[in-house]
Amino acid sequence: GQQVMQIPQYQHVQEGEDFTTYCNSSTTLSNIQWYKQRPGGHPVFLIQLVKSGEVKKQKRLTFQFGEAKKNSSLHITATQTTDVGTYFCAGPLESSYDKVIFGPGTSLSVIP
Amino acid sequence: EAGVVQSPRYKIIEKKQPVAFWCNPISGHNTLYWYLQNLGQGPELLIRYENEEAVDDSQLPKDRFSAERLKGVDSTLKIQPAELGDSAVYLCASSLHRGFAGELFFGEGSRLTVL
Repeated sequence: GQQVMQIPQYQHVQEGEDFTTYCNSSTTLSNIQWYKQRPGGHPVFLIQLVKSGEVKKQKRLTFQFGEAKKNSSLHITATQTTDVGTYFCAGPLESSYDKVIFGPGTSLSVIP
Repeated sequence: EAGVVQSPRYKIIEKKQPVAFWCNPISGHNTLYWYLQNLGQGPELLIRYENEEAVDDSQLPKDRFSAERLKGVDSTLKIQPAELGDSAVYLCASSLHRGFAGELFFGEGSRLTVL
């Protein structure tokens, strides 16, 4: 079946270092969304990418949607302790728009 | 504006007991989702409503799980009887847009522990 994978599963960085998580789908996605979940919290929407090759920036966060619409990445520049949490990508199949698959997430720890 | 409200936040029950979770979505959001989240994993869709119609319940274990959304606003998710493996966080989310066309707003979740 269709799968969305994320790597790495865990990442520990020193405060100030950069961080990147990758999201890969076995099938084409019509769009992709990224969510952040703080420890003990609920997922909070960060951004949605729709177009092939699209790049969006939010302050220190850069999001990219692959040309083939099968992969995406989230890059954080100069991490801060407030960046701690799990980052999930999620997207619907292009073939079945309403079928949304969440990735397993990348858990980020920032060491002060 | 109030966010998605869920209750209870925590529930501890013994196996074979029934349990119910309630969700009040953001006003005006016609699309409502129930997700299950196990520790260390991403949310898994149980059921999606468009207004009062369940348009995707293919992942809902219908032998023990049921859901309803009367009048297309509040929703309840019920498990009867609960099993040990049902221990998880049950997340409700709502969206202004149909399908996955826009942002999902999640509630705080209801954490279920089955003993």
